[in-house]
Amino acid sequence: DGGITQSPKYLFRKEGQNVTLSCEQNLNHDAMYWYRQDPGQGLRLIYYSQIVNDFQKGDIAEGYSVSREKKESFPLTVTSAQKNPTAFYLCASSAGGSYNEQFFGPGTRLTVL
Amino acid sequence: GESVGLHLPTLSVQEGDNSIINCAYSNSASDYFIWYKQESGKGPQFIIDIRSNMDKRQGQRVTVLLNKTVKHLSLQIAATQPGDSAVYFCADGITGFQKLVFGTGTRLLVSP
Repeated sequence: DGGITQSPKYLFRKEGQNVTLSCEQNLNHDAMYWYRQDPGQGLRLIYYSQIVNDFQKGDIAEGYSVSREKKESFPLTVTSAQKNPTAFYLCASSAGGSYNEQFFGPGTRLTVL
Repeated sequence: GESVGLHLPTLSVQEGDNSIINCAYSNSASDYFIWYKQESGKGPQFIIDIRSNMDKRQGQRVTVLLNKTVKHLSLQIAATQPGDSAVYFCADGITGFQKLVFGTGTRLLVSP
């Protein structure tokens, strides 16, 4: 069953702690993305990666870090430098090349207490 | 479920009506356009897409219209059903460049 998985669905952390959100895809897609979604707003791009071992900052990268050591995995770390980390985080992937359609995972709701 | 989009523009329709959701984009270089449906607490799901060499594309109960002159996109849903209730996002991009730019979304509420 192909798709994108994100874990966990809900995550609670204390202020000042780093936390890593998992994103895995078995679609053999080259490109992967992380978005943040807040109530009343659309999706804002945090980081994206077009190939393994390469990634670029999106529009709101401050306070976040990523790695792309494997094609199927693109974990996102929310660091203590992120001033307002409570949000819904969405991971997506696309085949790359001329294929723009992005496929989304189910999301992780992060709440910082 | 999650409370996504508490302050989004809302379109309220009756079951069986046709719905039209509009979207404006700003990049005149965009040549790829896509609509997503997002139910509460879930990730966006693909509905339909269109490239700039077309001005209309139809799917099952959905039609996307593209007006490149005024940079406007619309999604028409025929015979709207309660299961269509969700937040709908448009996005645009450029072929070969992987980033998509998402609109803020519209909440569709369908009453039985």
